[in-house]
Amino acid sequence: NAGVTQTPKFRVLKTGQSMTLLCAQDMNHEYMYWYRQDPGMGLRLIHYSVGEGTTAKGEVPDGYNVSRLKKQNFLLGLESAAPSQTSVYFCASSYSGRATGELFFGEGSRLTVL
Amino acid sequence: GQNIDQPTEMTATEGAIVQINCTYQTSGFNGLFWYQQHAGEAPTFLSYNVLDGLEEKGRFSSFLSRSKGYSYLLLKELQMKDSASYLCALMDSNYQLIWGAGTKLIIKP
Repeated sequence: NAGVTQTPKFRVLKTGQSMTLLCAQDMNHEYMYWYRQDPGMGLRLIHYSVGEGTTAKGEVPDGYNVSRLKKQNFLLGLESAAPSQTSVYFCASSYSGRATGELFFGEGSRLTVL
Repeated sequence: GQNIDQPTEMTATEGAIVQINCTYQTSGFNGLFWYQQHAGEAPTFLSYNVLDGLEEKGRFSSFLSRSKGYSYLLLKELQMKDSASYLCALMDSNYQLIWGAGTKLIIKP
């Protein structure tokens, strides 16, 4: 009954440090997404993947990298964290990228960059 | 460009009915979604509309008018557990979701 699992749930970084957020889904979904959510703003798409081995840029990709080596996992990396990357990060997956594909979200990862 | 507007916050009374509006501007349209997000939790899917009209699902209904660029989420028989943010999201011509900032709904006894 896991669905979409994100690790870690919370992290505090210093400016310039690097880290990786891991997203795992057990629903055999083709599409996976990384969003960030900031107060007063809608969810913004960072990167997404339409299948194993593929990635694409979303609305706000700068400062982030991603990899989808296995279908069930989607990793989000911050190479050199900046305070502007303080946010709540959500991973999501969907069976289809088309209009009928509802998104299933992970519980979120709260990142603070000092 | 694309734009989505929804009220920032609304307050309603337990047992009452509330309507949360969402207006949008877009050059391409592949449907409109509503998600619910409790504080500190993940968004969860509520409804999807691609054709004009009302879709009813229990206490929740969602309406769409494509010609007016307008949707609303109607919540009936409000319960305290309905206190949450409600996110409107537009699927554009490239099947990308454009999200509104969300409406925080506060339910009072």
